[in-house]
Amino acid sequence: AQRVTQPEKLLSVFKGAPVELKCNYSYSGSPELFWYVQYSRQRLQLLLRHISRESIKGFTADLNKGETSFHLKKPFAQEEDSAMYYCALSSGATNKLIFGTGTLLAVQP
Amino acid sequence: KAGVTQTPRYLIKTRGQQVTLSCSPISGHRSVSWYQQTPGQGLQFLFEYFSETQRNKGNFPGRFSGRQFSNSRSEMNVSTLELGDSALYLCASSLALAGKETQYFGPGTRLLVL
Repeated sequence: AQRVTQPEKLLSVFKGAPVELKCNYSYSGSPELFWYVQYSRQRLQLLLRHISRESIKGFTADLNKGETSFHLKKPFAQEEDSAMYYCALSSGATNKLIFGTGTLLAVQP
Repeated sequence: KAGVTQTPRYLIKTRGQQVTLSCSPISGHRSVSWYQQTPGQGLQFLFEYFSETQRNKGNFPGRFSGRQFSNSRSEMNVSTLELGDSALYLCASSLALAGKETQYFGPGTRLLVL
């Protein structure tokens, strides 16, 4: 079964601390992995995807096929990073996204 | 470019009624997908349309239906509303039908069923 698991509902860190949002997936094949973010009162938007291997707003995510993980990391959290983060996968053949339940990141001053 | 727009933004209905939600994709985008977001189930895929054809469907009852027009605008319809249909309905558009495409989400329509 296709599934995305985000084990933490809430992650609270202090400004300047490292952040790691966990994401594990279950998929038979080669999925496309994404991180979407939803800031307060804003629409859901793409943060980054594994195929791009880029860093957006200081965030990076590495696809580990052996551990079926796609954890999101940032070395130094900022208050403006506070938001809801969703890990998602698609099959590559369609645009259907399977989302995790999301992790609320709260960065304390 | 204007973003994805959804109308109406808020809707209150009673059980048994039906509702139609509208989504206008980004100009040039041909793929539109719909999602239901609830506190209990999170974000769940409803269906996807490309070039006026439904390409994929999620695990929702037949009361949920949709369509896409030649200008790529899409509507979804929910008939015989139930209390559990109360949710935020999101649509997303993308340029093509390929899993690596970036999907752009609308602000959502919040439906409350009384």
